[in-house]
Amino acid sequence: KAGVTQTPRYLIKTRGQQVTLSCSPISGHRSVSWYQQTPGQGLQFLFEYFSETQRNKGNFPGRFSGRQFSNSRSEMNVSTLELGDSALYLCASILEGWNSNTGELFFGEGSRLTVL
Amino acid sequence: AQSVAQPEDQVNVAEGNPLTVKCTYSVSGNPYLFWYVQYPNRGLQFLLKYITGDNLVKGSYGFEAEFNKSQTSFHLKKPSALVSDSALYFCAVRDITGGSYIPTFGRGTSLIVHP
Repeated sequence: KAGVTQTPRYLIKTRGQQVTLSCSPISGHRSVSWYQQTPGQGLQFLFEYFSETQRNKGNFPGRFSGRQFSNSRSEMNVSTLELGDSALYLCASILEGWNSNTGELFFGEGSRLTVL
Repeated sequence: AQSVAQPEDQVNVAEGNPLTVKCTYSVSGNPYLFWYVQYPNRGLQFLLKYITGDNLVKGSYGFEAEFNKSQTSFHLKKPSALVSDSALYFCAVRDITGGSYIPTFGRGTSLIVHP
């Protein structure tokens, strides 16, 4: 069974640009969540999608957005990039619905974004 | 609200010695506790979890963790460390009875195992 796939793995952007990151969850997993990882802040929750609906949202500005498609694949978008957006963006999927889950998250390898 | 503390940014241990990576948590209800490991330039990998039952949980790669409700701790342990165990370790908590589905992660502890 294929794991969580994130693309691209590495990318470099300049301030003011926008970026779209993609995540394909494990087959059958309906929930996808996104995290931002930086050395200073650790792992911070961005948002979670389940059945194409945003179920939870972290404390990030509106420049950060996401969506989920009917096949459970998810994208996140960051507009008007700032230097502080440089980070490893991790996607994770989980099998069951948000209300009944005892399981662990399955993470992708991440997309490393560098903003110059 | 739920929170996790990993009080040590870095743990150093010699190969062959036992290791402990500390984690304490705070939840309003019953906790679900997890440990994940991250190798350089990789995503997080699940190691083990405590949901209910036996307080000593065994996981992947010879790791184990002990749930201590009175001390609100969930320390990760291994009897004999390997150089290949060197990585970043994250503790996470979910408070199901408190209604929060999303786990909160600690800031991570860098484990360095010296040959």
